[in-house]
Amino acid sequence: QVQLQQSGAELVKPGSSVKISCKASGYTFTSYDMHWIKQQPGNGLEWIGWIYPGNGNTKYNQKFNGKATLTADKSSSTAYMQLSSLTSEDSAVYFCARSVAYWGQGTLVTVSS
Amino acid sequence: DVVLTQTPPTLSATIGQSVSISCRSSQSLLHSNGNTYLNWLLQRPGQPPQLLIYLVSRLESGVPNRFSGSGSGTDFTLKISGVEAEDLGVYYCVQSTHAWTFGGGTKLELK
Repeated sequence: QVQLQQSGAELVKPGSSVKISCKASGYTFTSYDMHWIKQQPGNGLEWIGWIYPGNGNTKYNQKFNGKATLTADKSSSTAYMQLSSLTSEDSAVYFCARSVAYWGQGTLVTVSS
Repeated sequence: DVVLTQTPPTLSATIGQSVSISCRSSQSLLHSNGNTYLNWLLQRPGQPPQLLIYLVSRLESGVPNRFSGSGSGTDFTLKISGVEAEDLGVYYCVQSTHAWTFGGGTKLELK
Protein backbone atom coordinates (compact mmCIF):
# COMPACT_ATOMS: atom_id res chain seq x y z
CA GLN A 1 0.00 0.00 0.00
CA VAL A 2 1.09 3.57 -0.60
CA GLN A 3 2.94 5.06 2.37
CA LEU A 4 4.61 8.42 2.80
CA GLN A 5 6.86 8.71 5.85
CA GLN A 6 8.00 12.21 6.71
CA SER A 7 10.96 13.29 8.82
CA GLY A 8 10.58 14.48 12.38
CA ALA A 9 9.82 17.87 13.89
CA GLU A 10 12.37 20.64 13.47
CA LEU A 11 13.19 23.61 15.69
CA VAL A 12 15.22 26.11 13.68
CA LYS A 13 16.48 29.67 14.08
CA PRO A 14 15.26 32.65 12.10
CA GLY A 15 17.29 33.24 8.96
CA SER A 16 18.37 29.62 8.68
CA SER A 17 17.24 26.86 6.32
CA VAL A 18 15.66 23.48 6.90
CA LYS A 19 15.27 20.40 4.70
CA ILE A 20 12.47 17.94 5.37
CA SER A 21 11.99 14.57 3.75
CA CYS A 22 9.19 12.33 2.56
CA LYS A 23 10.08 8.68 1.95
CA ALA A 24 7.68 6.89 -0.38
CA SER A 25 6.88 3.19 -0.55
CA GLY A 26 4.27 0.92 -2.06
CA TYR A 27 4.33 2.37 -5.56
CA THR A 28 6.69 3.43 -8.37
CA PHE A 29 8.18 6.64 -7.01
CA THR A 30 9.23 8.00 -10.37
CA SER A 31 5.77 7.74 -11.93
CA TYR A 32 3.79 10.19 -9.80
CA ASP A 33 4.01 13.84 -8.83
CA MET A 34 4.77 14.59 -5.20
CA HIS A 35 3.04 17.62 -3.79
CA TRP A 36 3.90 19.71 -0.73
CA ILE A 37 1.34 21.56 1.39
CA LYS A 38 1.68 24.07 4.24
CA GLN A 39 -0.66 24.39 7.22
CA GLN A 40 -0.04 27.14 9.76
CA PRO A 41 -1.40 26.60 13.27
CA GLY A 42 -5.18 26.87 13.28
CA ASN A 43 -5.23 27.71 9.58
CA GLY A 44 -6.16 26.07 6.32
CA LEU A 45 -4.14 24.25 3.70
CA GLU A 46 -1.88 25.98 1.19
CA TRP A 47 -0.33 24.29 -1.83
CA ILE A 48 3.41 24.90 -2.18
CA GLY A 49 4.24 22.99 -5.35
CA TRP A 50 5.01 19.63 -6.88
CA ILE A 51 7.93 17.68 -8.24
CA TYR A 52 7.84 14.87 -10.76
CA PRO A 53 10.62 12.52 -9.54
CA GLY A 54 10.88 10.84 -12.93
CA ASN A 55 12.60 13.83 -14.48
CA GLY A 56 12.89 16.37 -11.66
CA ASN A 57 10.41 18.81 -13.19
CA THR A 58 8.87 21.17 -10.66
CA LYS A 59 6.00 23.63 -10.44
CA TYR A 60 5.61 26.11 -7.62
CA ASN A 61 2.87 28.29 -6.21
CA GLN A 62 4.27 31.74 -7.04
CA LYS A 63 4.01 32.67 -3.37
CA PHE A 64 6.70 30.09 -2.54
CA ASN A 65 9.16 30.93 -5.31
CA GLY A 66 12.49 31.53 -3.60
CA LYS A 67 11.20 30.12 -0.31
CA ALA A 68 10.80 26.42 -1.11
CA THR A 69 13.01 24.16 -3.24
CA LEU A 70 11.75 20.70 -4.14
CA THR A 71 14.07 17.84 -5.00
CA ALA A 72 13.84 14.06 -5.22
CA ASP A 73 16.26 11.15 -4.87
CA LYS A 74 15.20 8.28 -7.09
CA SER A 75 17.64 5.86 -5.49
CA SER A 76 15.96 6.15 -2.09
CA SER A 77 12.42 7.04 -3.25
CA THR A 78 12.58 10.16 -1.13
CA ALA A 79 11.29 13.64 -1.86
CA TYR A 80 12.72 16.67 -0.14
CA MET A 81 11.66 20.23 0.48
CA GLN A 82 14.14 22.87 1.57
CA LEU A 83 12.84 26.08 3.09
CA SER A 84 15.22 29.03 3.22
CA SER A 85 15.51 32.39 5.03
CA LEU A 86 13.12 31.18 7.67
CA THR A 87 10.87 33.56 9.61
CA SER A 88 8.08 33.02 12.11
CA GLU A 89 5.65 32.94 9.17
CA ASP A 90 7.26 29.66 8.10
CA SER A 91 6.30 27.96 11.36
CA ALA A 92 3.80 25.36 10.23
CA VAL A 93 3.08 21.72 9.60
CA TYR A 94 4.24 20.65 6.16
CA PHE A 95 2.69 17.69 4.37
CA CYS A 96 3.79 15.73 1.35
CA ALA A 97 1.06 14.11 -0.73
CA ARG A 98 0.97 11.80 -3.71
CA SER A 99 -2.31 12.93 -5.18
CA VAL A 100 -5.15 14.04 -2.93
CA ALA A 101 -5.58 10.44 -1.78
CA TYR A 102 -2.24 9.80 -0.09
CA TRP A 103 -0.72 12.05 2.53
CA GLY A 104 2.30 11.93 4.80
CA GLN A 105 1.78 12.39 8.52
CA GLY A 106 3.15 15.93 8.45
CA THR A 107 6.35 17.58 9.73
CA LEU A 108 6.17 20.41 12.25
CA VAL A 109 8.66 23.19 11.62
CA THR A 110 9.03 25.76 14.41
CA VAL A 111 11.07 28.88 13.72
CA SER A 112 12.26 30.43 16.96
CA SER A 113 15.39 31.96 18.41
CA ASP B 1 -4.91 31.49 -10.21
CA VAL B 2 -7.98 29.51 -9.18
CA VAL B 3 -9.73 30.66 -6.01
CA LEU B 4 -12.09 28.31 -4.18
CA THR B 5 -14.68 29.94 -1.93
CA GLN B 6 -16.08 27.53 0.62
CA THR B 7 -19.20 28.20 2.70
CA PRO B 8 -20.15 28.21 5.47
CA PRO B 9 -16.91 28.53 7.45
CA THR B 10 -18.56 26.87 10.44
CA LEU B 11 -21.42 24.41 10.60
CA SER B 12 -23.19 23.34 13.78
CA ALA B 13 -25.17 20.14 13.53
CA THR B 14 -26.88 17.57 15.70
CA ILE B 15 -26.28 13.87 15.28
CA GLY B 16 -28.48 12.59 12.48
CA GLN B 17 -28.91 15.98 10.84
CA SER B 18 -28.15 16.36 7.13
CA VAL B 19 -25.83 19.19 6.15
CA SER B 20 -24.31 20.65 2.98
CA ILE B 21 -21.11 22.53 2.22
CA SER B 22 -20.66 24.69 -0.86
CA CYS B 23 -17.48 25.21 -2.87
CA ARG B 24 -17.40 27.79 -5.66
CA SER B 25 -14.51 28.19 -8.06
CA SER B 26 -13.34 31.38 -9.74
CA GLN B 27 -13.04 29.47 -13.01
CA SER B 28 -14.29 26.25 -14.53
CA LEU B 29 -12.68 23.09 -13.19
CA LEU B 30 -13.49 21.08 -16.30
CA HIS B 31 -10.20 19.72 -17.63
CA SER B 32 -9.52 19.40 -21.35
CA ASN B 33 -9.64 15.62 -20.88
CA GLY B 34 -13.29 15.84 -19.81
CA ASN B 35 -12.71 15.22 -16.10
CA THR B 36 -13.49 17.71 -13.34
CA TYR B 37 -10.88 17.40 -10.61
CA LEU B 38 -12.83 18.66 -7.63
CA ASN B 39 -12.26 16.69 -4.44
CA TRP B 40 -13.37 16.81 -0.81
CA LEU B 41 -11.17 16.15 2.21
CA LEU B 42 -11.84 15.78 5.94
CA GLN B 43 -9.18 16.72 8.45
CA ARG B 44 -9.59 15.62 12.04
CA PRO B 45 -7.52 17.34 14.75
CA GLY B 46 -3.88 16.31 14.67
CA GLN B 47 -4.33 14.21 11.53
CA PRO B 48 -3.46 14.68 7.88
CA PRO B 49 -6.45 15.24 5.61
CA GLN B 50 -8.23 12.19 4.26
CA LEU B 51 -9.93 11.92 0.89
CA LEU B 52 -13.71 11.53 0.92
CA ILE B 53 -14.85 12.37 -2.61
CA TYR B 54 -12.89 12.69 -5.87
CA LEU B 55 -13.90 13.72 -9.39
CA VAL B 56 -16.86 15.67 -7.94
CA SER B 57 -18.98 12.71 -6.91
CA ARG B 58 -16.94 9.52 -6.63
CA LEU B 59 -16.77 8.06 -3.17
CA GLU B 60 -13.29 7.05 -2.03
CA SER B 61 -12.98 3.42 -0.97
CA GLY B 62 -13.96 2.89 2.65
CA VAL B 63 -15.84 6.18 2.98
CA PRO B 64 -19.43 5.80 4.23
CA ASN B 65 -22.14 6.41 1.65
CA ARG B 66 -23.75 9.12 3.80
CA PHE B 67 -21.21 11.35 2.05
CA SER B 68 -22.06 12.52 -1.44
CA GLY B 69 -20.75 15.11 -3.85
CA SER B 70 -22.37 16.95 -6.72
CA GLY B 71 -21.88 19.88 -9.04
CA SER B 72 -20.21 20.91 -12.25
CA GLY B 73 -18.16 23.70 -13.76
CA THR B 74 -17.71 26.17 -10.91
CA ASP B 75 -20.30 25.16 -8.28
CA PHE B 76 -19.94 22.09 -6.09
CA THR B 77 -21.57 20.67 -2.98
CA LEU B 78 -20.70 18.10 -0.36
CA LYS B 79 -23.66 16.60 1.50
CA ILE B 80 -23.61 14.52 4.65
CA SER B 81 -26.90 12.64 5.04
CA GLY B 82 -27.10 12.03 8.75
CA VAL B 83 -24.09 13.41 10.61
CA GLU B 84 -22.32 11.02 12.94
CA ALA B 85 -19.90 11.93 15.74
CA GLU B 86 -16.91 10.67 13.74
CA ASP B 87 -17.70 13.22 11.00
CA LEU B 88 -16.61 16.17 13.13
CA GLY B 89 -13.59 18.07 11.85
CA VAL B 90 -12.68 20.48 9.07
CA TYR B 91 -13.79 19.84 5.50
CA TYR B 92 -11.84 21.19 2.53
CA CYS B 93 -12.60 21.24 -1.15
CA VAL B 94 -9.48 21.02 -3.31
CA GLN B 95 -9.18 21.39 -7.06
CA SER B 96 -6.45 19.63 -9.01
CA THR B 97 -7.42 20.70 -12.53
CA HIS B 98 -5.15 23.76 -12.53
CA ALA B 99 -2.29 22.81 -10.19
CA TRP B 100 -3.86 22.59 -6.70
CA THR B 101 -5.96 25.05 -4.73
CA PHE B 102 -7.74 24.50 -1.42
CA GLY B 103 -10.93 26.06 -0.18
CA GLY B 104 -10.79 27.89 3.14
CA GLY B 105 -12.35 25.02 5.07
CA THR B 106 -15.63 24.35 6.90
CA LYS B 107 -15.50 23.33 10.52
CA LEU B 108 -18.25 20.89 11.41
CA GLU B 109 -19.08 20.90 15.10
CA LEU B 110 -21.79 19.53 17.35
CA LYS B 111 -24.67 21.82 18.21
